[in-house]
Amino acid sequence: EPEVTQTPSHQVTQMGQEVILRCVPISNHLYFYWYRQILGQKVEFLVSFYNNEISEKSEIFDDQFSVERPDGSNFTLKIRSTKLEDSAMYFCASSEEWSQYFGPGTRLLVL
Amino acid sequence: DAKTTQPPSMDCAEGRAANLPCNHSTISGNEYVYWYRQIHSQGPQYIIHGLKNNETNEMASLIITEDRKSSTLILPHATLRDTAVYYCIAPLKRGAQKLVFGQGTRLTINP
Repeated sequence: EPEVTQTPSHQVTQMGQEVILRCVPISNHLYFYWYRQILGQKVEFLVSFYNNEISEKSEIFDDQFSVERPDGSNFTLKIRSTKLEDSAMYFCASSEEWSQYFGPGTRLLVL
Repeated sequence: DAKTTQPPSMDCAEGRAANLPCNHSTISGNEYVYWYRQIHSQGPQYIIHGLKNNETNEMASLIITEDRKSSTLILPHATLRDTAVYYCIAPLKRGAQKLVFGQGTRLTINP
């Protein structure tokens, strides 16, 4: 069964550093998403992406965040200058139209 | 977004049917109801969705009341692996839309 994959599974970084989180969505899906979950809190929407552009973003997704689909298979989330409060689990998801399928997540720890 | 209301927690014995209720009284006629679950810190997992008619798949059944103000997710023979937080999310229209996760119902399956 096709699935969304994410790399790395864990990332530790210093405050102020740039990180890139990678996702490989399910191959025939057209819509891509990033969510995050701070420890003990709800899953929060960050951004959705369709047809090579952002279709919706939350207020969390400020200028420090960017997304890209650099080729036909990868979907990336970049955080330019990480802050302590960016520590969270980051989930990528993709959908064909109806249902979103999530990856296993990248646990980001900012020190 | 239409708000959904779910009980914070439920228990169910292994092998029995788990019935998880959700109220979505502000849902409109063309808005779908989706169910997801999150097992521990894994990525949310799609379970099922519906509009008006009852739906069944290999994971669960979804019963939607005729007035569409509430629904019940049924796991027919719960196993220990079904212990998770279950989220009822509405509305979702066709096409890409963000998922807004509430607190969900923490379902514990007891041996």
